[in-house]
Amino acid sequence: EIVLTQSPTTMAASPGEKVTITCRASSSVSYMHWFQQKSGTSPKPWIYDTSKLASGVPDRFSGSGSGTSYSLTISSMEAEDAATYYCLQRSSYPWTFGGGTKLELK
Amino acid sequence: EVQLVESGGGLVQPGRSLKLSCVASGFTFSNYGMNWIRQAPGKGLEWVAYISSGSSYIYYAETVKGRFTISRDNAKNTLYLQMTSLRSEDTALYYCARLLSAWGQGASVTVSS
Repeated sequence: EIVLTQSPTTMAASPGEKVTITCRASSSVSYMHWFQQKSGTSPKPWIYDTSKLASGVPDRFSGSGSGTSYSLTISSMEAEDAATYYCLQRSSYPWTFGGGTKLELK
Repeated sequence: EVQLVESGGGLVQPGRSLKLSCVASGFTFSNYGMNWIRQAPGKGLEWVAYISSGSSYIYYAETVKGRFTISRDNAKNTLYLQMTSLRSEDTALYYCARLLSAWGQGASVTVSS
């Protein structure tokens, strides 16, 4: 099983600040996918195939990486970005999620 | 508009069974692989099972293998999860998902005596 480790587990960012969340895989994966979840709601697909933004995702978000190291970046933090973000690998079964990164507004 | 609506959740005793359903609309259900993902209270996401569009390929998480069965009826646009030998650690919100594009609102399953 491929284990995904996200860091940090929690963080706070000020409006306008650049934010980077990393996801490290225990073995190489072909792509990484990201989801955003706000309290009391279903997760939303956010970034797929490492760097493609899902429909409606602001272009201040970006994704990058390869092999065992991937990241989600927000170029300029906005209040609406406060949420928990999860990475997911589908390169091998069982598919696995990272433990989540809770991003708060400072 | 793509919609996934889960039903069938509830309170069940340990060792008993429960069957979840997910009705899909707004897209050609028979063209897509589908998944069940769960989230225990206050915890992260756990992928549970996948079924391909024509049911030829089925995969499970180790934690549910042998106890849960994923299936689908493309004529009814419906995805199922049959859960048997339920344990307290199966308590979670169960999401039906076309993983990278659409998720349902979830069905709550509580396993407790």
